Amino acid sequence: DTAVSQTPKYLVTQMGNDKSIKCEQNLGHDTMYWYKQDSKKFLKIMFSYNNKELIINETVPNRFSPKSPDKAHLNLHINSLELGDSAVYFCASGGVNTGELFFGEGSRLTVL
Amino acid sequence: AQTVTQSQPEMSVQEAETVTLSCTYDTSESDYYLFWYKQPPSRQMILVIRQEAYKQQNATENRFSVNFQKAAKSFSLKISDSQLGDAAMYFCAYEVTSGTYKYIFGTGTRLKVLA
Repeated sequence: DTAVSQTPKYLVTQMGNDKSIKCEQNLGHDTMYWYKQDSKKFLKIMFSYNNKELIINETVPNRFSPKSPDKAHLNLHINSLELGDSAVYFCASGGVNTGELFFGEGSRLTVL
Repeated sequence: AQTVTQSQPEMSVQEAETVTLSCTYDTSESDYYLFWYKQPPSRQMILVIRQEAYKQQNATENRFSVNFQKAAKSFSLKISDSQLGDAAMYFCAYEVTSGTYKYIFGTGTRLKVLA
């Protein structure tokens, strides 16, 4: 069984469109994250949720809206997509101070 | 603010040789975790090794070991007997333990393994 699963793995879309990425974890972790990896491979945290509560919002544009219906799910919706949103988006989960983040396989978003 | 610095954008090593990847970090915390993650071309992020700051003993996982120098805020990764499958991006990461649930990653080092 996949511990952290993201769908879809690939998205190709036009500027101005809206898209969503879904993430689910079956590890029983309380905390889930969204990271953005740009073309230079730099990993930057976007959001963190703990037990459905938003903990971290790292100055991400309002066009990005995370949603956590329960602690096993953290979805990411992006409105009015821009060229600069092209990246790989990673979902991850972890227990606080447990010493490991478990990552999904990433979702590669390409905005044309 | 906590930062993680990897000063080597790219490294190369001959198969079966040893290579060391550097990482430094900045923090005012006394207790924290440090990690090395590997990202092969498949894109999957894989934990290589973990070090708890309160432990003086350097962590070891098979061919992977770290040199943790807390006072110098240095956390290097040594890969012994390098294999072709070790070729990947390697990220050093730090976990903030002051209740902010934040992991901070370095910019990565691309490791090439030469046959």
